[in-house]
Amino acid sequence: KQEVTQIPAALSVPEGENLVLNCSFTDSAIYNLQWFRQDPGKGLTSLLLIQSSQREQTSGRLNASLDKSSGRSTLYIAASQPGDSATYLCAVIRGSTLGRLYFGRGTQLTVWP
Amino acid sequence: DVKVTQSSRYLVKRTGEKVFLECVQDMDHENMFWYRQDPGLGLRLIYFSYDVKMKEKGDIPEGYSVSREKKERFSLILESASTNQTSMYLCASSSQTGGHGEKLFFGSGTQLSVL
Repeated sequence: KQEVTQIPAALSVPEGENLVLNCSFTDSAIYNLQWFRQDPGKGLTSLLLIQSSQREQTSGRLNASLDKSSGRSTLYIAASQPGDSATYLCAVIRGSTLGRLYFGRGTQLTVWP
Repeated sequence: DVKVTQSSRYLVKRTGEKVFLECVQDMDHENMFWYRQDPGLGLRLIYFSYDVKMKEKGDIPEGYSVSREKKERFSLILESASTNQTSMYLCASSSQTGGHGEKLFFGSGTQLSVL
């Protein structure tokens, strides 16, 4: 069974800092990995999707990397802003279970002014 | 933009009632999913569907059933609601092929309270 772990569970930083969120998974035979953002009481919004053949994806101030062999992904947020405050979740699709995602429990990020 | 619409934002029901949660997506996605999200437990998959009239059990299907009569609509049914089914319910959809690359799109969620 695929286990997805996110560290840290919570993070509080001042505005302007560059920060890294970590995601690890136990089964390296993944099809792709996705990072999501969730605001309190809301659904999830997809931020970045990395296919298993890719090493990284970028969108604005966000950069996600993938190292399948070590079972790790990182989400890098540059020049953090208070509007980045949310919970960030990573999820993987195993190669044998196309469509079904396995989620981590998320990192709750607070960026204070 | 892809839109996944859940019929209710908040719902309050009584123990023993039959509850229907509706989800509609407008992007012709093949895959649809129902999750529940609870503090400290994260997202847990209840049921999913790869095609019309097809369904697969997720990790916690007990006490739930689903219906997918049309491609765009995926319904979650609580046969006899219980207090331990109080939760946030999230519907999602994804494409098996095409430009979205299996990116998952979520609805806004239904906060269900069973009294």
